[in-house]
Amino acid sequence: QQPVQSPQAVILREGEDAVINCSSSKALYSVHWYRQKHGEAPVFLMILLKGGEQKGHEKISASFNEKKQQSSLYLTASQLSYSGTYFCGTEMRGGGSQGNLIFGKGTKLSVKP
Amino acid sequence: EADIYQTPRYLVIGTGKKITLECSQTMGHDKMYWYQQDPGMELHLIHYSYGVNSTEKGDLSSESTVSRIRTEHFPLTLESARPSHTSQYLCASSEGQGRNTEAFFGQGTRLTVV
Repeated sequence: QQPVQSPQAVILREGEDAVINCSSSKALYSVHWYRQKHGEAPVFLMILLKGGEQKGHEKISASFNEKKQQSSLYLTASQLSYSGTYFCGTEMRGGGSQGNLIFGKGTKLSVKP
Repeated sequence: EADIYQTPRYLVIGTGKKITLECSQTMGHDKMYWYQQDPGMELHLIHYSYGVNSTEKGDLSSESTVSRIRTEHFPLTLESARPSHTSQYLCASSEGQGRNTEAFFGQGTRLTVV
């Protein structure tokens, strides 16, 4: 049930772009994206709902392919503050699993000057 | 700013002790969650709740138990703490059924069992 994230880690120079992927083997209601900095709680970035609705920050963009149960998070013109671990979380459709938010293993992003 | 609070922030306790980690939110959220996270590692869902008197086990088997007697309160209890329970425990909440919104996280409780 756990979504699969890739890559596991990525190192960028300031200003470079990155894409983080998340996929699930189950039908999804929604995909969430969070960023966690060392020693802090995860912070919400974006939620993508089936049907195409998105809610999130202006500088972050993401896509959700409902047929493939895949989502991608796009980080453009990266800044030092983007460093952290990015987690995708999924809420599955149907049965007893609906509504429980399961996270992937995370993608460690480091942005260097 | 999220109104979800966890206490204590840090706890060092001896093996065999009973502990309760507190989590409260003032947003009126129906859904609440408990996650276990080792440093630098993934978030494991151990318990969740859809509302009052609703509790479910998550993906990661845990010896802890939870209760949801009030909407705002979702405490987690370990009857007999062991060193293997050493970890960070994060509580989160989100709006209820049919309204898919973001989860707000508390600052976590870092538990050390010696």
